[in-house]
Amino acid sequence: EVQLVESGGGLIQPGGSLRLSCAASGFIVSRKYMNWVRQAPGKGLEWVAVIYSGGSTYYADSVKGRFTFSRDNSKNTLYLQMNSLRAEDTAVYYCARADGDHGMDVWGQGTTVTVSS
Amino acid sequence: DIQMTQSPSTLSASVGDRVTITCRASQSISSWLAWYQQKPGKAPKLLIYRASSLESGVPSRFSGSGSGTEFTLTISSLQPDDFATYYCQQYNSYSPQNTFGGGTKVEIK
Repeated sequence: EVQLVESGGGLIQPGGSLRLSCAASGFIVSRKYMNWVRQAPGKGLEWVAVIYSGGSTYYADSVKGRFTFSRDNSKNTLYLQMNSLRAEDTAVYYCARADGDHGMDVWGQGTTVTVSS
Repeated sequence: DIQMTQSPSTLSASVGDRVTITCRASQSISSWLAWYQQKPGKAPKLLIYRASSLESGVPSRFSGSGSGTEFTLTISSLQPDDFATYYCQQYNSYSPQNTFGGGTKVEIK
């Protein structure tokens, strides 16, 4: 079964760091474009970052320089390292697979990050 | 950056109604548009990709159309399971740019 499972969310103080994980099963993450998408409480969806099959990464301006997207091919797992966290980073974070021109066809259940003192 | 504008932001409708949601791009995105359905507390679900292609397993009452800067999602006969929030998304296999519209909440009238 194709599945994504996120973990690592929690309550963190402003300025702190957190690392999210996204474990994939049923497909190989290094062969797909993988994304992080977040949703602030009561708000819409915001694309955060993408990692291409070749390993290139791109970020939304709102997180550039603070977040780092990586993957461990041996574990078929993705990571989002989040530094210098701000209150506005509070959201549910989803990882999502993008399959060529197919849009984001597989999503995880999400993990909640709350940045508050 | 490409901006995506959805309208309306909220829509009240009854079971059996034909429902249309519009999404406009700030510049041409060809057919690089997807539609998603999201229910409270759940992850989004892909409905339509490449503006008009129906994702496998999605009921045929959902359809998408448009190209360039104007796109529509139509639900031909609204069912109880369709009350949810719908998002458009522009994407491009040749660019990392991804932008979601602000969402349209479909409510029971």
